Amino acid sequence: NAGVTQTPKFQVLKTGQSMTLQCAQDMNHEYMSWYRQDPGMGLRLIHYSVGAGITDQGEVPNGYNVSRSTTEDFPLRLLSAAPSQTSVYFCASSSTGDRHGYTFGSGTRLTVV
Amino acid sequence: LAKTTQPISMDSYEGQEVNITCSHNNIATNDYITWYQQFPSQGPRFIIQGYKTKVTNEVASLFIPADRKSSTLSLPRVSLSDTAVYYCLVGDSGGGADGLTFGKGTHLIIQP
Repeated sequence: NAGVTQTPKFQVLKTGQSMTLQCAQDMNHEYMSWYRQDPGMGLRLIHYSVGAGITDQGEVPNGYNVSRSTTEDFPLRLLSAAPSQTSVYFCASSSTGDRHGYTFGSGTRLTVV
Repeated sequence: LAKTTQPISMDSYEGQEVNITCSHNNIATNDYITWYQQFPSQGPRFIIQGYKTKVTNEVASLFIPADRKSSTLSLPRVSLSDTAVYYCLVGDSGGGADGLTFGKGTHLIIQP
């Protein structure tokens, strides 16, 4: 069981470039979400999805887009990267009533120069 | 979502029991209390979840008083590898369909 897989692990972008952070889970979880974590901070919710075809905004959605065409995949798109988006990004998944909470991926460390 | 308050940092020594308390005065009737652990450069990892009284697993115990306005994560006989940030969250048992709300957590430092 792979759990939650995030790619790439590291990425450097130039300001204005776009890219997609990939997230895939093989646990048939309905819920998926994206977070960013800045130094010394807790995680902040960017976007979340309660099932295929359904997405919604979290606390800090500006500059990011998501889609959920399948249960397994939940990519995060940076439309025009800015230095303020330099952060570590985590994807997570869970299921209704799952007593083990959310399962997190290992993260993508993004630097925008 | 119920707001949580926990100490910013704690220190202890190897072999000691460590108790981290979290305050959640506005917890709702159907909310669960969940604790996550995060090591540097890794995603948070689920530790334990409870609704009331006491829950124990192979890693930790969770004590919840009758009024549920606080909870205490207990780590028995800690080791250096328990140095991490610990987050207390309140919400649905599955974590909630609309994602998780993290505070800054408690940075636990274990010394030899």
